[in-house]
Amino acid sequence: RKEVEQDPGPFNVPEGATVAFNCTYSNSASQSFFWYRQDCRKEPKLLMSVYSSGNEDGRFTAQLNRASQYISLLIRDSKLSDSATYLCVVNAGRGSTLGRLYFGRGTQLTVWP
Amino acid sequence: EPEVTQTPSHQVTQMGQEVILRCVPISNHLYFYWYRQILGQKVEFLVSFYNNEISEKSEIFDDQFSVERPDGSNFTLKIRSTKLEDSAMYFCASSEPTGGDGYTFGSGTRLTVV
Repeated sequence: RKEVEQDPGPFNVPEGATVAFNCTYSNSASQSFFWYRQDCRKEPKLLMSVYSSGNEDGRFTAQLNRASQYISLLIRDSKLSDSATYLCVVNAGRGSTLGRLYFGRGTQLTVWP
Repeated sequence: EPEVTQTPSHQVTQMGQEVILRCVPISNHLYFYWYRQILGQKVEFLVSFYNNEISEKSEIFDDQFSVERPDGSNFTLKIRSTKLEDSAMYFCASSEPTGGDGYTFGSGTRLTVV
């Protein structure tokens, strides 16, 4: 069973474009949701947490639909530096601690000039 | 910004040898983790550690693997007898008690088993 599924891409977009990534998760008990970015052969870095009401951080907007078990990430006004793999991450849903995280395989984004 | 430090950055070892991967988590974090990522695949959970004991481990974390926090700062992952399929990036991570802000990952150790 795949806990977290993402469209692997690749997405190739010009600078300034808006791009959206989607993710679905299988565990309805999951409580914490994140988007991480990973540059080639580097560690995952937290981009943003995803809250039920949706949240925005500059050019990045994340949405969560618990009923559909669906998470999205929207990047507006893409920059060359946004080129990376975007990882959808969900926790195992145990108790109040973060617990085990499940990672999607990632969606690769390339922004070209 | 506080960071998780991992050493070595790259380790090459012969099949059957023991390796120890080292990590220094962020000082006020209480939860520690090891993850691995085989080239081209997703990041996979190995083990979580809290209050000086394993709190959860995955099916990957078999008897060949062990973790230890030998002092107040280091957190180690030992692989007793390495196999070719253990070749991967190994990431250490730590989190605050509430965990609401996700984990902070170290820069990883690339383990190559030959």
